[in-house]
Amino acid sequence: QIQLQQSGPGLVKPSQTLSLTCAISGDSVSSNSAAWNWIRQSPSRGLEWLGRAYYRSKWYIDYGLSVRSRVVINPDTSKNQVSLLLNSVTPEDTAVYYCARVRFGFDYWGQGTLVTVSS
Amino acid sequence: QSALTQPASVSGSPGQSITISCTGTSSDVAGYSYVSWYQQHPGKAPKVIIYDVSNRPSGVSDRFSGSKSGNTASLTISGLQAEDEAEYFCCGYIISGTRYVFGTGTKVTVL
Repeated sequence: QIQLQQSGPGLVKPSQTLSLTCAISGDSVSSNSAAWNWIRQSPSRGLEWLGRAYYRSKWYIDYGLSVRSRVVINPDTSKNQVSLLLNSVTPEDTAVYYCARVRFGFDYWGQGTLVTVSS
Repeated sequence: QSALTQPASVSGSPGQSITISCTGTSSDVAGYSYVSWYQQHPGKAPKVIIYDVSNRPSGVSDRFSGSKSGNTASLTISGLQAEDEAEYFCCGYIISGTRYVFGTGTKVTVL
């Protein structure tokens, strides 16, 4: 079965870079029929889509407007995973971060990582 | 893009039917068929219950149904059960800018 396993620190200092990884099992990050997304959720901002990576003969990567200037999503075919980098974080970036596959809606989700931005 | 608008709360008694609305614009809900709905229990990741407006994933109860008319998508839960008490979110896909926009969320209470 398909599983998404997230890893990364739960505490990041202001102005530093948030880094999370989503290891995929049961599917391929290079799948031609799925896309791999990062989504976050906070009480103040609700659910917010951050971006996606997908492969259709070549790689495509899209980012959400609210984070476009600060975010990088990187698929890694050798490890079958997708990573999220969000730089220059502020306390406003405190949220639960999820990776999720989209194929039939967002049909598989990681377990979520609570990331707190604080000194 | 602004979040899609949902009622903050909806309640119903066991066995009743309730409907949750999700209102967007011509650039999101109205224009595309990629509206999905999610159920989220406290402390858990969201779970897809409807995709592509009205399709139900395997294993999801047929008590959940989705539809769309113009700028508004709707989720109906029939035969309300205690286990349906959760938060529900809609999600629309847009062709440019931020690809996916989520709704503001609706807390469903079973009386």
